[in-house]
Amino acid sequence: GAGVSQSPSNKVTEKGKDVELRCDPISGHTALYWYRQSLGQGLEFLIYFQGNSAPDKSGLPSDRFSAERTGGSVSTLTIQRTQQEDSAVYLCASSSSSGTNEQFFGPGTRLTVL
Amino acid sequence: AQSVAQPEDQVNVAEGNPLTVKCTYSVSGNPYLFWYVQYPNRGLQFLLKYITGDNLVKGSYGFEAEFNKSQTSFHLKKPSALVSDSALYFCAVRDLDTGRRALTFGSGTRLQVQP
Repeated sequence: GAGVSQSPSNKVTEKGKDVELRCDPISGHTALYWYRQSLGQGLEFLIYFQGNSAPDKSGLPSDRFSAERTGGSVSTLTIQRTQQEDSAVYLCASSSSSGTNEQFFGPGTRLTVL
Repeated sequence: AQSVAQPEDQVNVAEGNPLTVKCTYSVSGNPYLFWYVQYPNRGLQFLLKYITGDNLVKGSYGFEAEFNKSQTSFHLKKPSALVSDSALYFCAVRDLDTGRRALTFGSGTRLQVQP
């Protein structure tokens, strides 16, 4: 079956603009995660959705970052008033409802803020 | 708080030789440990995981990892390296005793296998 997909694959924007990044999880996966991978660094957790529960937003770096998940499937990560330090690869992952199942990652969106 | 350390930024090994990529972790409860691999311009691919049971875990592409509770380590190993194994490897941990499902990743180790 299809894996996790993300769009766009690349996004170049100007400082101060808003951007939206999209994630389509694996069909049937109830858990969805957003991570950020900065150049030369590991992955940084941003936000986690599980079914209809309130999302875990503990990793969002500032109030310029927000995410939503509509209908328990597609998710959108929005960054308002982008800054150059927001430049990174944004990765989405999904997993099944079992708490011990591994996360499957999408190819990521490379965001460049000029 | 949970954390992961990958002490080596890069590991170089000759093709056919055994390889080890090191990982140590810190959690307050029981660990749930993963290894992922990232090839250039691609997303992370799952290699293997440890929850409970046998300390030696076997995964994809001939990789295995050994869980050592006393040393809080989960080193990735392969008996005979291939040039195609060259990639960026990430160790990750989750504390099974908390409700938090997000993974904490190490900073990654670049594996270079020379022909």
